[in-house]
Amino acid sequence: GAGVSQSPSNKVTEKGKDVELRCDPISGHTALYWYRQSLGQGLEFLIYFQGNSAPDKSGLPSDRFSAERTGGSVSTLTIQRTQQEDSAVYLCASSPHSGRAGELFFGEGSRLTVL
Amino acid sequence: GENVEQHPSTLSVQEGDSAVIKCTYSDSASNYFPWYKQELGKRPQLIIDIRSNVGEKKDQRIAVTLNKTAKHFSLHITETQPEDSAVYFCAAGGNQGGKLIFGQGTELSVKP
Repeated sequence: GAGVSQSPSNKVTEKGKDVELRCDPISGHTALYWYRQSLGQGLEFLIYFQGNSAPDKSGLPSDRFSAERTGGSVSTLTIQRTQQEDSAVYLCASSPHSGRAGELFFGEGSRLTVL
Repeated sequence: GENVEQHPSTLSVQEGDSAVIKCTYSDSASNYFPWYKQELGKRPQLIIDIRSNVGEKKDQRIAVTLNKTAKHFSLHITETQPEDSAVYFCAAGGNQGGKLIFGQGTELSVKP
């Protein structure tokens, strides 16, 4: 595809349910990031994948959050036992830069609402 | 880890005036400092970036300055136009591979 694709674009769930958010990065991009953007807030770092290296999970807010990246491409962010404070837009980004910081290409985001 | 502080949180200017947004960072090993623009309802997009081997970079009406000693960098927009209205984010990183930490954002409003 031409850009980073995220699904679903909108997700409404009940408190306590599990959710999965999917990210398809730009083909050939080795780096993949997840950020969280709460209403009117900044971009909160969650996790960073770089090639075959172990991911940097230092931004995950609790053990209810996990992410994987299969085959160096598609990534899934899973939130277990969702809470109302998990409501936010979850942004995925990819980058072609290997091992060094460079331009991030963001997806449109997945808006999660926990009732 | 890295921490980025961004000021102001909101900024309102008249069309044609200049706008300045400032960021400070905590990790002296950071070497890459991008700025992203996010229009309402859209994804963030890179507008300009600077690496630590230069002190200033310009691209038409946009410029970024970096002071590594003081650990701060700034975005300057001259001759502002209504289409510059958006949320602007600074970020810092590069010392841990590609990891980037973003500031809290500045909502810029340019009044015609």
